[in-house]
Amino acid sequence: NAGVMQNPRHLVRRRGQEARLRCSPMKGHSHVYWYRQLPEEGLKFMVYLQKENIIDESGMPKERFSAEFPKEGPSILRIQQVVRGDSAAYFCASSRDADTGELFFGEGSRLTVL
Amino acid sequence: SQKIEQNSEALNIQEGKTATLTCNYTNYSPAYLQWYRQDPGRGPVFLLLIRENEKEKRKERLKVTFDTTLKQSLFHITASQPADSATYLCALERGFNKFYFGSGTKLNVKP
Repeated sequence: NAGVMQNPRHLVRRRGQEARLRCSPMKGHSHVYWYRQLPEEGLKFMVYLQKENIIDESGMPKERFSAEFPKEGPSILRIQQVVRGDSAAYFCASSRDADTGELFFGEGSRLTVL
Repeated sequence: SQKIEQNSEALNIQEGKTATLTCNYTNYSPAYLQWYRQDPGRGPVFLLLIRENEKEKRKERLKVTFDTTLKQSLFHITASQPADSATYLCALERGFNKFYFGSGTKLNVKP
C-alpha cells in the first residue's frame, strides 16, 4: 500500500515565480492536510481539504496561497509570487476519516526561493 | 494563544538507558495528544496517541503519559538504541485532525 506521495521533493524558484506542490493521499484516504515547517520549528497547520471541498483554511496566508483537492487527481498547494520567506518544507498528510487521530505524512516538498 | 513547549536542547543518552522527553502546553485542553518521530529530511511518522481519559499508553519499548492537570505529557523510550536517534514531536489535537505541533526534541543515543 503506497504511502502519501508528494512531488516535487525539491523545488527552487526565483522571487515572483509560482510554486505548485502536489500530494496524492494514501489509498482510501479522503482527507488531506497541508503543514509547513520552517527550520528548527514545529509543523504549522495550513489547510484541511476533502474531495472538492476546503474544510478549514485558517492556517493559510490570505494572499498568494491556495489549495485544492479535485475529484480526480492529487491535492495541490499553490504559492503565487513567491518570496524568500516562503522557503520551507511543506508536508502533506492524509487520513481515512476526520478525527481518527492518526495522520500519515508524506516526505515533504522543500521549497527554496532565491 | 496556544503554546507547546518541548525541550529545544538535544537529549544525549547512552544505549540501553531510558530516554524521557517532555511536552508541556498551556491555554488549551486537548481531547488527545500524539507523539511523532521525524528523521532528517523525512516526514513525521506517527508513534502513539493518548486520550485525555488515559493516564498511560504503551507500545513495545515506548510509553506515553498524559497529565491533564499538569498539562504535560512524558514520552519514554526504554532500552534505547542508536536507531532511536531522531527528533520527536508532540502534537495536540485541535479538532478534526488539525494539530498544534511542538518544535521537537532531538534525541541522540550513543553506542
